[in-house]
Amino acid sequence: GQQLNQSPQSMFIQEGEDVSMNCTSSSIFNTWLWYKQEPGEGPVLLIALYKAGELTSNGRLTAQFGITRKDSFLNISASIPSDVGIYFCAGGPGGTSYGKLTFGQGTILTVHP
Amino acid sequence: DSGVTQTPKHLITATGQRVTLRCSPRSGDLSVYWYQQSLDQGLQFLIQYYNGEERAKGNILERFSAQQFPDLHSELNLSSLELGDSALYFCASSVGYGAEQYFGPGTRLTVT
Repeated sequence: GQQLNQSPQSMFIQEGEDVSMNCTSSSIFNTWLWYKQEPGEGPVLLIALYKAGELTSNGRLTAQFGITRKDSFLNISASIPSDVGIYFCAGGPGGTSYGKLTFGQGTILTVHP
Repeated sequence: DSGVTQTPKHLITATGQRVTLRCSPRSGDLSVYWYQQSLDQGLQFLIQYYNGEERAKGNILERFSAQQFPDLHSELNLSSLELGDSALYFCASSVGYGAEQYFGPGTRLTVT
């Protein structure tokens, strides 16, 4: 089946630093999404991307849908302690299987004050 | 709070048993999705229902089944439970078939 390779697996950064993470696939996706999960909770939708090349921001978060449709990037600027959590990318095939998301393995983010 | 509710929060049961997990979608959402999250497999899509009908299926075991009721709530039934079924089970919902899914808080299932 489809697999998403998400990197890095974990990051330890200082408060105020910028963060970059990415997701690559061997298959094309028609939608890319980024979620954040905190301990004991469900994933929370951060950003959804629907067009190749699309760049979308949500506050300090910016995500891009790669032009090959096989990758996506998430940047967090000026990190703060509450950014701590696991960030997941997810790819959607589109069409009638729109909702059948494939998730990456996650990037664990730790922010030191 | 995503607006998606799941019950119970925790469930501990023995191998061979059957359990039912319940999900209520956000108000107005017609699609419900079920996911399994485990340490070794990550977040895996199980099944999607749209307005009462099955729309997409993932790697859902034959021992697992789901349904969506006329009031749009959904139930995931897990039977003949094995130790390996221990995981977090999430329900998500969306307005249509869309990829923008909103997740509930999950049910942690422990099979002993």
